[in-house]
Amino acid sequence: LAKTTQPISMDSYEGQEVNITCSHNNIATNDYITWYQQFPSQGPRFIIQGYKTKVTNEVASLFIPADRKSSTLSLPRVSLSDTAVYYCLVGKNNAGNMLTFGGGTRLMVKP
Amino acid sequence: DAGITQSPRHKVTETGTPVTLRCHQTENHRYMYWYRQDPGHGLRLIHYSYGVKDTDKGEVSDGYSVSRSKTEDFLLTLESATSSQTSVYFCAISDRIGLAAYNEQFFGPGTRLTVL
Repeated sequence: LAKTTQPISMDSYEGQEVNITCSHNNIATNDYITWYQQFPSQGPRFIIQGYKTKVTNEVASLFIPADRKSSTLSLPRVSLSDTAVYYCLVGKNNAGNMLTFGGGTRLMVKP
Repeated sequence: DAGITQSPRHKVTETGTPVTLRCHQTENHRYMYWYRQDPGHGLRLIHYSYGVKDTDKGEVSDGYSVSRSKTEDFLLTLESATSSQTSVYFCAISDRIGLAAYNEQFFGPGTRLTVL
């Protein structure tokens, strides 16, 4: 499984755009990039997934450069409720696939 | 939210006692997982199931066993609990959506286990 590296923590203020970058230098050809969000005392929740270029949904955008060795999760105009841990995962996109979580990035949004 | 419940939600037990955690789903998903999460760490996979009576080991399976006799229930057993098994345990489920391969997992609320 491809190893991921992401910042341990980030601070932001309400209304700002937050970009969290994840490095995955040994990503395999058929690996996908997936981000999960975890609030305190809750299980992780899927945010977004992509293979290349840009993916956008109602929650976030995911930017993946051509070499796919990194990816950036972009959260537009964060609010206090976006304070959470964000995990970047890389692996095969198969139902029943095992997920490998790293340490994640702890995002603190301040008023 | 996906229909996943875990029981109990909190448990305190003593070293050497057996403990069983239950995960129950109402989504009829084929795949079920047990993870543990320790302070400052991400989740680590203990065991998973790809169907009734079909299970396999994950990254940290030592000291744990699982059973799945029905689609909706996945049990995690600590045969003889140790203090190192104090953790928060999460159950997750997933399935194939139509013709698309998709690996989104839906997580339960977690069980906080303390072994004294």
